[in-house]
Amino acid sequence: GAGVSQSPSNKVTEKGKDVELRCDPISGHTALYWYRQSLGQGLEFLIYFQGNSAPDKSGLPSDRFSAERTGGSVSTLTIQRTQQEDSAVYLCASSPTATGGSSPLHFGNGTRLTVT
Amino acid sequence: SQQGEEDPQALSIQEGENATMNCSYKTSINNLQWYRQNSGRGLVHLILIRSNEREKHSGRLRVTLDTSKKSSSLLITASRAADTASYFCATPRSNDYKLSFGAGTTVTVRA
Repeated sequence: GAGVSQSPSNKVTEKGKDVELRCDPISGHTALYWYRQSLGQGLEFLIYFQGNSAPDKSGLPSDRFSAERTGGSVSTLTIQRTQQEDSAVYLCASSPTATGGSSPLHFGNGTRLTVT
Repeated sequence: SQQGEEDPQALSIQEGENATMNCSYKTSINNLQWYRQNSGRGLVHLILIRSNEREKHSGRLRVTLDTSKKSSSLLITASRAADTASYFCATPRSNDYKLSFGAGTTVTVRA
């Protein structure tokens, strides 16, 4: 079956431009996460969506970052006025439920963002 | 803040040998998960061990959990070239839905 799909797979942008990253979760998965992975680093939590509840935005590094999830499915992560330190791989993951973190996450292959 | 920390950071072994990596965490958990990431790909879930379990097997993988020491280990037996990847442990904080990942152990299996 279809897994988590992310687009684009690679994005090169100039400093100061805005970018939009897209995530299509597995159908029926109510929980959706965005993580950021810098070179050689672990995963940094950015934002979490669960059903119709208000998202947990506590991991967003600055107000230049925002995300939305339309219709409980597709999610878009937007970075405004990109900076070089935003360069990283942005990973999206979904799970059927998020109770106590006991559901394994299904990850997409990520979007590699390079800000020049 | 980072909850899990893997050790070693990197590991190089010969095909057929076993690979062992460890994970230490800081706060109480209800489960611990291990993931694998191949170069340029997303993470793939390998195994979940609950806090009331001490050992779990899945194929060539063996995971142990010692809640008194707040540590876990992942053993890959009879390694293959295809096992070359980074391995991450992930822990949810109690009553929290967010998984916290360590920086990972990079395993290279030489043919």
